[in-house]
Amino acid sequence: AQSVTQLGSHVSVSEGALVLLRCNYSSSVPPYLFWYVQYPNQGLQLLLKYTSAATLVKGINGFEAEFKKSETSFHLTKPSAHMSDAAEYFCAANAGGTSYGKLTFGQGTILTVHP
Amino acid sequence: DGGITQSPKYLFRKEGQNVTLSCEQNLNHDAMYWYRQDPGQGLRLIYYSQIVNDFQKGDIAEGYSVSREKKESFPLTVTSAQKNPTAFYLCASSNSGGINNEQFFGPGTRLTVL
Repeated sequence: AQSVTQLGSHVSVSEGALVLLRCNYSSSVPPYLFWYVQYPNQGLQLLLKYTSAATLVKGINGFEAEFKKSETSFHLTKPSAHMSDAAEYFCAANAGGTSYGKLTFGQGTILTVHP
Repeated sequence: DGGITQSPKYLFRKEGQNVTLSCEQNLNHDAMYWYRQDPGQGLRLIYYSQIVNDFQKGDIAEGYSVSREKKESFPLTVTSAQKNPTAFYLCASSNSGGINNEQFFGPGTRLTVL
């Protein structure tokens, strides 16, 4: 069964510092991968998605993620954190096949940005 | 504006009552989904529907029911059989059930059992 693991339920950085949120997947075939962001009491907004066109994916708000098949990882990064980046981030995967259209989500990482 | 609406935003229920959460989309999407979100557990799939008049159970369907009579609507009923219904519920839709199509999310409904 497909699973998605996000290492670290809480990450804290200073404003202007590098943001690194980790995501690993387990799948017999390379999945399609997504990063979503959720602000308090709101729905999820898509940051970026990997669909095999390019291993380095750029998203909104200066975020990017790199797909590494050898490491089964899809970590999310941003060179310089901003206070407005404080939110919860979810990594998700779709492995296709019988799971057509369904996403498996990681447990989420809460990002805190200190001034 | 195209998007997904959920109502109500907050819902309070007494034990033993059924309640229905509304989800409407005007994106002309074929597929719709219901998720439950609890702190530290990510999102768990309750039910999903790829076409009108058809839906499938997700990972935690017990105590929930859905209908899909119209393309734009996918209401979720939380029944009295659901042992611990207090949670944040999210509805989503996608252009098709395609594996590389992202899901678009509504703003959510927070259900509290009194």
